[in-house]
Amino acid sequence: GAVVSQHPSWVICKSGTSVKIECRSLDFQATTMFWYRQFPKQSLMLMATSNEGSKATYEQGVEKDKFLINHASLTLSTLTVTSAHPEDSSFYICSARDPSPPEQYFGPGTRLTVT
Amino acid sequence: TQLLEQSPQFLSIQEGENLTVYCNSSSVFSSLQWYRQEPGEGPVLLVTVVTGGEVKKLKRLTFQFGDARKDSSLHITAAQPGDTGLYLCAGNTGGFKTIFGAGTRLFVKA
Repeated sequence: GAVVSQHPSWVICKSGTSVKIECRSLDFQATTMFWYRQFPKQSLMLMATSNEGSKATYEQGVEKDKFLINHASLTLSTLTVTSAHPEDSSFYICSARDPSPPEQYFGPGTRLTVT
Repeated sequence: TQLLEQSPQFLSIQEGENLTVYCNSSSVFSSLQWYRQEPGEGPVLLVTVVTGGEVKKLKRLTFQFGDARKDSSLHITAAQPGDTGLYLCAGNTGGFKTIFGAGTRLFVKA
């Protein structure tokens, strides 16, 4: 299957700082990437849909000014958590959509801890 | 609102037992995927089904897509401790968005 990488795999930051997470599709071009948040022992919660060359579409309740998404190329999307707070601590997972067949492949996730 | 109901939410069984996980919806899906996720990792795609009535096998795992493409099941034969994990079904209605089930957390005891 297709490979999606995510970097970093884990990060610890202080409250008030910003953190950038990268998501790359390594062997296919992804016009659409997705960012999810997952709380312990729960399913994935879609935060936003990232389309190459255009603004991301955020799900209801997700602050677009806090979670900045950039999809500058067909293989890279970034999520920046701005002014992070302890409640932003979570497991963030990206996925990239391979158009043919229409399947999503997930990155390994990024564990963010805000102290 | 499109929903994909997954059951059971939690399953604890002994090694060697069989089990079935179900995903049901009132929506018709153009395709449906099953994923398995281990703690601290991203979900890994197991299979994609696209045709109503389709059955796919992956070793001891059997996946079935309902005739009407509204439901799917995952059957595991002779479960092993290595099968422990979170199983997620995900349906695609033809648009860009994929709908995820709440997940089934499986624990197989040795």
